[in-house]
Amino acid sequence: DAGITQSPRYKITETGRQVTLMCHQTWSHSYMFWYRQDLGHGLRLIYYSAAADITDKGEVPDGYVVSRSKTENFPLTLESATRSQTSVYFCASSEPPYEEQFFGPGTRLTVL
Amino acid sequence: AQRVTQPEKLLSVFKGAPVELKCNYSYSGSPELFWYVQYSRQRLQLLLRHISRESIKGFTADLNKGETSFHLKKPFAQEEDSAMYYCALRDSGGSNYKLTFGKGTLLTVNP
Repeated sequence: DAGITQSPRYKITETGRQVTLMCHQTWSHSYMFWYRQDLGHGLRLIYYSAAADITDKGEVPDGYVVSRSKTENFPLTLESATRSQTSVYFCASSEPPYEEQFFGPGTRLTVL
Repeated sequence: AQRVTQPEKLLSVFKGAPVELKCNYSYSGSPELFWYVQYSRQRLQLLLRHISRESIKGFTADLNKGETSFHLKKPFAQEEDSAMYYCALRDSGGSNYKLTFGKGTLLTVNP
């Protein structure tokens, strides 16, 4: 399917485990973003990437690692998951100079 | 630092009533403002942006730089407008295309 996809859609893991959330887009957008959505906090930016091999921290990067070896993929890794990382994670992409960000369907992550 | 404030977590109106979702921002530069919407079981999507001055699904929003506000309005709410609404800000002079989101307002339109 064309567009932006995320996998898995649902994930349950345990504290201390490593988890990788995948994001894939077919538009060749240069910018990609990872957000987490929490009740009472709205959407907060974790990391973003301006192009392949270029990434930068957002508002809440601690405990997360990203990479972008290919333009179309932007995986997010929780190196040692904690309960506070239980959240819904959204990936998004955009192509300057257009401002609109296109969002994936989200991954609901539960850390036990 | 830029900040977006949506003072109402929840807003409930009846069908046919006017609705206004408030958004205030703090930013020293020249901002671009957006409204994003997330319908139940759907993806977050752009509703409108201030620079286009358009009306989407009957919604409008005017950027008031004096009051640093970008309130979303609709004269007659419909049940299908029930959703989570996020106001977002971007630095128009910036090169990183990041968005800062408010905490969101959950709108419920009752029949």
